[in-house]
Amino acid sequence: KAGVTQTPRYLIKTRGQQVTLSCSPISGHRSVSWYQQTPGQGLQFLFEYFSETQRNKGNFPGRFSGRQFSNSRSEMNVSTLELGDSALYLCASSLIPTVDYGYTFGSGTRLTVV
Amino acid sequence: SQQGEEDPQALSIQEGENATMNCSYKTSINNLQWYRQNSGRGLVHLILIRSNEREKHSGRLRVTLDTSKKSSSLLITASRAADTASYFCATVEYGNKLVFGAGTILRVKS
Repeated sequence: KAGVTQTPRYLIKTRGQQVTLSCSPISGHRSVSWYQQTPGQGLQFLFEYFSETQRNKGNFPGRFSGRQFSNSRSEMNVSTLELGDSALYLCASSLIPTVDYGYTFGSGTRLTVV
Repeated sequence: SQQGEEDPQALSIQEGENATMNCSYKTSINNLQWYRQNSGRGLVHLILIRSNEREKHSGRLRVTLDTSKKSSSLLITASRAADTASYFCATVEYGNKLVFGAGTILRVKS
């Protein structure tokens, strides 16, 4: 079956712009989480969605938002981009929101803010 | 926030040798997971060990868990050039939030 699909793979944006990233989870997976990876901070949790509801949110400013659709696809949006938002954004999906299983990650979206 | 430290930060070995990576964490856990990341791409789930397990094997991977010391180790036996990657341990906090260590960069020279 198809894995977790993230689009686009690469993105270059200018400071002050906004960006929307997309994640399609594995078919049947209803839980989607987002992570930011930077050289300085490592892997940081952004948020988690299950059945269109945000269940948990990390320590990021309100410029970072997300949503999940009825087909479990998820989008995250970053408004008023800053240079520090340059990162690899990873999406992960799981069948159900449980601690008992590993997560399947997508290949990520590399965002560069100039 | 990072869960803890991974040790070493970088490891360079010859093909065929064993590679051992260590991970420490701070809080009580239900399970600990190890992931691999190739060259800035997505994470691949390798193995999950539950808090009531002390050792687990999967192919050439062996993971140990010591909850009294809040530490885990990942051993890759008979390493191959294709094992070159970054390896991360992760624990799960409330709300299914994965908390990752800083990672170990493994380079296997052929």
